Amino acid sequence: EVQLVESGGGLVQPGGSLRLSCTASGLTFRTYDMNWVRQPPGRGLEWVSYISTSGSTTDYADSVKGRFTISRDNGKNSLYLDMNSLRAEDSAVYFCATAASYFYDMNGYPTFDNWGQGTLVTVSS
Amino acid sequence: DVQMTQSPSSLSASVGDRVTISCRASQSVRSFLNWYQQKPGKAPKLLIYAASSLQSGVPSRFSGSGSGTDFTLTISSLQPEDFATYYCQQSFSIPRYTFGPGTKVDIK
Repeated sequence: EVQLVESGGGLVQPGGSLRLSCTASGLTFRTYDMNWVRQPPGRGLEWVSYISTSGSTTDYADSVKGRFTISRDNGKNSLYLDMNSLRAEDSAVYFCATAASYFYDMNGYPTFDNWGQGTLVTVSS
Repeated sequence: DVQMTQSPSSLSASVGDRVTISCRASQSVRSFLNWYQQKPGKAPKLLIYAASSLQSGVPSRFSGSGSGTDFTLTISSLQPEDFATYYCQQSFSIPRYTFGPGTKVDIK
């Protein structure tokens, strides 16, 4: 059974920092691109960041670029999100998700097929 | 970036009703469109990929259609376990996987 378990969330003051972790089991972690997705309380899903299988390619939503850093350790089956200069609007449940291509009609279609349960980050003084 | 919109933002329906949710992309995403279901306090669950392909284990009352910029998720006969929020997501302009704002389906 595939499991993704996030940790590291909590209460932090504006301007502070936090590191989120996502530990994977039941899958060959090094073969999956990974993503972070967040969801502010009572609101919709927002893609936050992406990292390729090797970690050589990353991307970020404009709302977090320059403040957040995604990384991974394939030897530890772990994904990380370092969050700096946190703002109130960063308060959300943060999910990690695998990205896998599902094939249909001879094309590969990327999907987020496995998700963790989420970890809550609250930025408040 | 590709922007996604959904309509309606919420709807009320009864068990057995046919429900249709629309999703529109700001530019063509061909058939690179996924649908997810999310229940309160839970992670999203993949329902449909490639605009119309049913994920394994998803009931056949769910179906998807469309291509280019306009897409539809249909639930042919709403069941009690289907009351949830539904999100579309484009996977054409990756790795910036944009989600729609969601459609909440609740009990009439």
